[in-house]
Parts: sequence; C-alpha cells; structure tokens
Amino acid sequence: SSELTQDPAVSVALGQTVRITCQGDSLRSYYASWYRQKPGQAPVLVIYGQNNRPSGIPDRFSGSSSGNTESLTITGAQAEDEADYYCSSRDSDYNHVLFGGGTKVTVL
Amino acid sequence: QVQLVESGGGVVQPGRSLRLSCAASGFTFTTYGMHWVRQAPGKGLEWVAVISDDGTYKYYADSVRGRFTVSRDNSKNTLYLQMNSLRPEDTAVYHCAKALPVVGHNYGSDLDYWGQGTLVTVSS
Repeated sequence: SSELTQDPAVSVALGQTVRITCQGDSLRSYYASWYRQKPGQAPVLVIYGQNNRPSGIPDRFSGSSSGNTESLTITGAQAEDEADYYCSSRDSDYNHVLFGGGTKVTVL
Repeated sequence: QVQLVESGGGVVQPGRSLRLSCAASGFTFTTYGMHWVRQAPGKGLEWVAVISDDGTYKYYADSVRGRFTVSRDNSKNTLYLQMNSLRPEDTAVYHCAKALPVVGHNYGSDLDYWGQGTLVTVSS
C-alpha cells in the first residue's frame, strides 16, 4: 500500500504563516483530511475534502492540493495552534486509510 | 452533542484477547461508518479498521488483519473491536472515530468526531 510523508517539525513566529505539506501517491486520487492533536487530547478534524472546515475551526486554517502533494496553511498562527498535525487519505489501491507521520508545529 | 466513549482497555499478556467497546450518542449511529485508530506511546496515528454503516463492509490494516475483528450493534449504538493474539506492538491508545458520509464509497475516511481513547498494554 501507499504511504503519506510529512516533515517531522516546523516552527512559525506568532502571527506569521506556516505551510505543512503531505506527499503521497494516493493524493493524486483523493483529497487529504487534516487533524490537529494537542498533548493528551484526541485528534480534531481541521480540514477535509476540497478545503472544507468543520464548524468551529477558524478560517486561518486552509487546505490546498497540487499533484501528489496536499498542504495545510495556517495564516496568522496563534499560540493555541501549537500541536501535532496529521494528514490522512484513502489508499488509492486498497480499502485502507493512511495517516502521515505527523508534523509538530511550534509557535515561537 | 456527539459523544464517543471507549472502554475495555487494560493490561494483557501477549497472545491473549481483549474486546474494546465504543458507546456512541448524539447522532444517528446507524447512518455513519465508524473507524478504529490507534496511537502507540509517543508515536503517530495508525489506522486500524473501518466498518460501514450497516456493518456489511469491514476493512483492516495489514498489521491487524486476521487477528482483529470490527463489529457494531446498531440497536445499542455501540462499536466493538475484538483483538486476538495480541502482541507487544499492539500497545497503544485506541480511539474510535465517526466518519463523514461520502458518495460512491462504502465508508467515509474523514473523521469528524473522535473518542478520548482507551489504553491497551500488551506485556508479560
């Protein structure tokens, strides 16, 4: 089956913009969903489909897609955005769901 | 409001079995696919299994296929994960999660609600 690749960590200054990427062959066929997880908490869906935000997710979170890469952008990062972020998608060849390894976002 | 509450975790010896439950409330359980996702201590998320809304379709990660069985009782609004032949590498927090519906597939893969999880420790 396929896999999804994320950078392990990224940092961003308070109020600045950060982009987190996710690469994988399955993303040529399916959109990714993105999850935010803070320590000791369950993951929270922040973006799904073609840049859809669930109710309660701030509009500073946005998603985009190009080829085999999906991106999550936080525009004007806040201290509360510091967390681990995971991408996920269907596996294009199997009835599986894939998760990326996660990106730790640090807000400076 | 949507609530998912897992139970059944604990410490178990390698080779033994355990059954996890996930009690759902606040939504029409019978119309949504449900997933199990686990997270080993200090590690990332790993998808485990999915079951379609009516229980017809079930799919598993390669790492658990043949050992784990997902099921649901729609009359009780409860999801289950039967785990047999447990291994130390199955040690993790197990979350159940509700999937958004999707047209054209047997299950959705966007998980809009998650439970807090139940810890399974496989150790002698």
